[in-house]
Amino acid sequence: AQSVSQHNHHVILSEAASLELGCNYSYGGTVNLFWYVQYPGQHLQLLLKYFSGDPLVKGIKGFEAEFIKSKFSFNLRKPSVQWSDTAEYFCAVSAPQAAGNKLTFGGGTRVLVKP
Amino acid sequence: DVKVTQSSRYLVKRTGEKVFLECVQDMDHENMFWYRQDPGLGLRLIYFSYDVKMKEKGDIPEGYSVSREKKERFSLILESASTNQTSMYLCASSLSGQAHNEQFFGPGTRLTVL
Repeated sequence: AQSVSQHNHHVILSEAASLELGCNYSYGGTVNLFWYVQYPGQHLQLLLKYFSGDPLVKGIKGFEAEFIKSKFSFNLRKPSVQWSDTAEYFCAVSAPQAAGNKLTFGGGTRVLVKP
Repeated sequence: DVKVTQSSRYLVKRTGEKVFLECVQDMDHENMFWYRQDPGLGLRLIYFSYDVKMKEKGDIPEGYSVSREKKERFSLILESASTNQTSMYLCASSLSGQAHNEQFFGPGTRLTVL
């Protein structure tokens, strides 16, 4: 069975600081990788995804993530955060052959950006 | 825009009650999912469905059942609610065909079992 681990449960940083959130997965085969974000009081929404091609993926709101197959990692980055990036971030993985496109999520990282 | 709606934002039930959580999506998606979200544990899949009347167990199906009689509606049932089922419940839907298709989430139902 696949699993996903996110290294930090909570991150606090100031505006304009750089952000990197770690995500590692355990699965031996081909995977699809996702980062979802949940802003306070809002629905969970897709930030970006990787399924093939360039391992450096760009998403919405200036976020990017890099898939490093040898490290089973898919870390999320943003060079300069804003107060509005305060949210909970979830890494997730799916196996292409899995029925119904089901996702396995990590435990989430709560990010607080101080103005 | 895809819209996934859930019948209640907040619910309070008593131990032993039968609880129904309803989810409706308006984009003709084949796949629908029920998760529970708990602090530090992320989202855990309870059940999913990839077609009408089809259902598959997720990672934590114990104590839950589901029903999908129509394509747009997916119900989660707690046969006999217990306090350890107090949680946030999220419904999602997605198109079939590609495993990288995005899942679209509803607003969640925060269930408290007393």
